[in-house]
Amino acid sequence: GENVEQHPSTLSVQEGDSAVIKCTYSDSASNYFPWYKQELGKGPQLIIDIRSNVGEKKDQRIAVTLNKTAKHFSLHITETQPEDSAVYFCAELSNDYKLSFGAGTTVTVRA
Amino acid sequence: DARVTQTPRHKVTEMGQEVTMRCQPILGHNTVFWYRQTMMQGLELLAYFRNRAPLDDSGMPKDRFSAEMPDATLATLKIQPSEPRDSAVYFCASGITGVGYTFGSGTRLTVV
Repeated sequence: GENVEQHPSTLSVQEGDSAVIKCTYSDSASNYFPWYKQELGKGPQLIIDIRSNVGEKKDQRIAVTLNKTAKHFSLHITETQPEDSAVYFCAELSNDYKLSFGAGTTVTVRA
Repeated sequence: DARVTQTPRHKVTEMGQEVTMRCQPILGHNTVFWYRQTMMQGLELLAYFRNRAPLDDSGMPKDRFSAEMPDATLATLKIQPSEPRDSAVYFCASGITGVGYTFGSGTRLTVV
């Protein structure tokens, strides 16, 4: 994901606390920003996405925010549970239909 | 649930052999991507197609990798000759532009 920077690379949280992952992108024409969760031995699974005409989207315990001016977007997981432990990837869809990924964040939820 | 099907799931081959990985995208999806992932690292884009036309394959080593989409139900990724450094998990993803993209379960390739 050379066009998408993702931080942090690892995140350890206590069960019940919140987790936040941030990504920045460089292409101002990008208009679609999905987030994927990958568990060991499986393919990435889409968990939430946001389009450039929306600032925030929420689905139960997960939410995504987008700041187009600053070109960054974030994933928020509230009330974390052990099953939230996984690798999370942000991505951007650029104007030429290319879907580029960040380097990933390994989230560990401590019981 | 509709799914992206990748075959084979696992492949062990000797260095120098040809490897072909196949992907059946979800019916109606107009975009297909090929990614490579090593040791739970990031997803490296190799090539992608839109409406079966190749848009960009600059992520692939051109001398040994090739990607094709002979029809709307099949995408292939071929490595010839394979090398140990090609060992990785190769993912195919399909979707409709800007709507959502679904990944397959991947092909785990080991070149010895």
